[in-house]
Amino acid sequence: KAGVTQTPRYLIKTRGQQVTLSCSPISGHRSVSWYQQTPGQGLQFLFEYFSETQRNKGNFPGRFSGRQFSNSRSEMNVSTLELGDSALYLCASSYSPPGGFRDGYTFGSGTRLTVV
Amino acid sequence: AQTVTQSQPEMSVQEAETVTLSCTYDTSESDYYLFWYKQPPSRQMILVIRQEAYKQQNATENRFSVNFQKAAKSFSLKISDSQLGDAAMYFCAYRSILNQFYFGTGTSLTVIP
Repeated sequence: KAGVTQTPRYLIKTRGQQVTLSCSPISGHRSVSWYQQTPGQGLQFLFEYFSETQRNKGNFPGRFSGRQFSNSRSEMNVSTLELGDSALYLCASSYSPPGGFRDGYTFGSGTRLTVV
Repeated sequence: AQTVTQSQPEMSVQEAETVTLSCTYDTSESDYYLFWYKQPPSRQMILVIRQEAYKQQNATENRFSVNFQKAAKSFSLKISDSQLGDAAMYFCAYRSILNQFYFGTGTSLTVIP
C-alpha cells in the first residue's frame, strides 16, 4: 500500500510569507500528526488530528495551524514565517481506534522548509 | 509529562560487530508502548522495533532486539552483525495511553567498514 505522502519535498520562502504543507496518510489511517525537526531541538510535536478534529497540540505559537479533511488528508499552515521556522516538517499517520495505541507511526519523507 | 532520554548523541560500531543504543524514559503510566525509529540520510523515519510495556519478553526483529527493563524504565536497542546500511539517526519513542508520542533527541550511529 502507498506510504505517507508529503508535498512539496522542498520549499523556500521569504520571511513574512505564509506556507501550506500537505500530508496524505496511509489509507485507513485516521490519525495524522505533525512534527518539526531541527538539529538543535530534535523532534518537536506540533499537533495531531483525528477524524477532522485536533486531538493534541504541542507548544507552538498560533502562527502554526492545521486541519484535516474528511478523507484524512491534512494540511499544516505557517503564517508570518520567521527564519527560525526553517526545519524539516514531518507528517506521521497511524491507525488509532479508540483505546488502541499499539501502532507506531508511519512517517512521510518530510518537507524541508527554508526561510530566507 | 513523559520524557525520553537518549544519553548518547553519537555512537560508532565496526561492521559485523554489535552495538547497543541506550534509552531511558520517565512515566507514571503502567501501560504504554515503546518504539525505536531509524532515520537514514534519506530522512524518512522507519519503525525498527516496538515493545509493549505489559509484555516481559523482549521484542526481536531479525538483527534488532531490545532490552526492556520496566522497573528501571530503560529500553535499549541492540543491533547485531552491524551493516553499513544501519548507519542512521536512531530515535527512541514512547507512546502514552492518550495517544501522545514522546521522542528522544536521537543517537547518530556510524558504521565503520
